[in-house]
Amino acid sequence: NFMLTQPHSVSESPGKTVIISCTGSSGSIASNYVQWYQQRPGSAPTIVIYDDNQRPSGVPDRFSGSIDGSSNSASLTISRLKTEDEADYYCQSSVSGNWVFGGGTKLTVL
Amino acid sequence: QIHLVQSGAEVKKPGASVKVSCKASGYTFTDYYMHWVRQAPGQGLEWMGWINPITGDTDYAQKFQGWVTMTRDTSINTAYMELSRLKSDDTAVYYCAKVGPYCTNGVCYDYWGQGTLVTVSS
Repeated sequence: NFMLTQPHSVSESPGKTVIISCTGSSGSIASNYVQWYQQRPGSAPTIVIYDDNQRPSGVPDRFSGSIDGSSNSASLTISRLKTEDEADYYCQSSVSGNWVFGGGTKLTVL
Repeated sequence: QIHLVQSGAEVKKPGASVKVSCKASGYTFTDYYMHWVRQAPGQGLEWMGWINPITGDTDYAQKFQGWVTMTRDTSINTAYMELSRLKSDDTAVYYCAKVGPYCTNGVCYDYWGQGTLVTVSS
C-alpha cells in the first residue's frame, strides 16, 4: 500500500524558515497531486496548499509547496515563521482512488 | 458562507453501530463529493471513503469495506456515515470534508465539519 512519510516533529524560531517533507513509499509522487493541511489543537484541519504548490485564497504567501521527483518527496515551506503557525501539518495524496495522509508533523515555533 | 455541521458526540458499547450526520449549507450540496476522515486520539488523519451526493455512489477505503456505510439525503443536504461492529480502537473524532471546487481530480478538501467524537467503551 502506498504510504506518505513525514518527520514526526520539527521546530524553529519565529522569523525563520522551516521545511516539512513528505516522502512517497513507491511510484512517483509527482504523478499525483499533493495537498497540505494545518491542524491546530482541538480544531478540524484546514487546507494550506493544494495541487502541489497552489495556495487557496486567504492562505498567506509565507506558505509554499514543491515537489522533488528525484527524492520522490513533496515539501511544505513556511517562511517568516509566526507563533500562530505552531500546529500539526499533514500531507495528502491520492493513488489509484485511495486518499492517503502522511502521519503528520508537529511544528513547534519557539 | 459554507458550513458543515456534524451531529454530537456519541458513546457506544463494543459491537454496536454509530451513525454520524453532516449537514451542509451555503452551497449546492449535490455539486461536490463528501469524504469522511477519522482521527484517533493523539493520532493522524485516516481517510475512510467518499459519497457522490448526486448518485449516492460510494467508495470506501479497503480497511473499512463491509464495515462502513455512507449515505445521503439530498432533501435536507445531509450526509451520513455509519460504522458497525464497533471496537475500542474505533474511538476517534470523525470528520466530514467537502471536496473543493479548485481541486484537480477532486483530491482536496476546502471545508471540514467540526468533528464528532465517538467513544467506544464497555
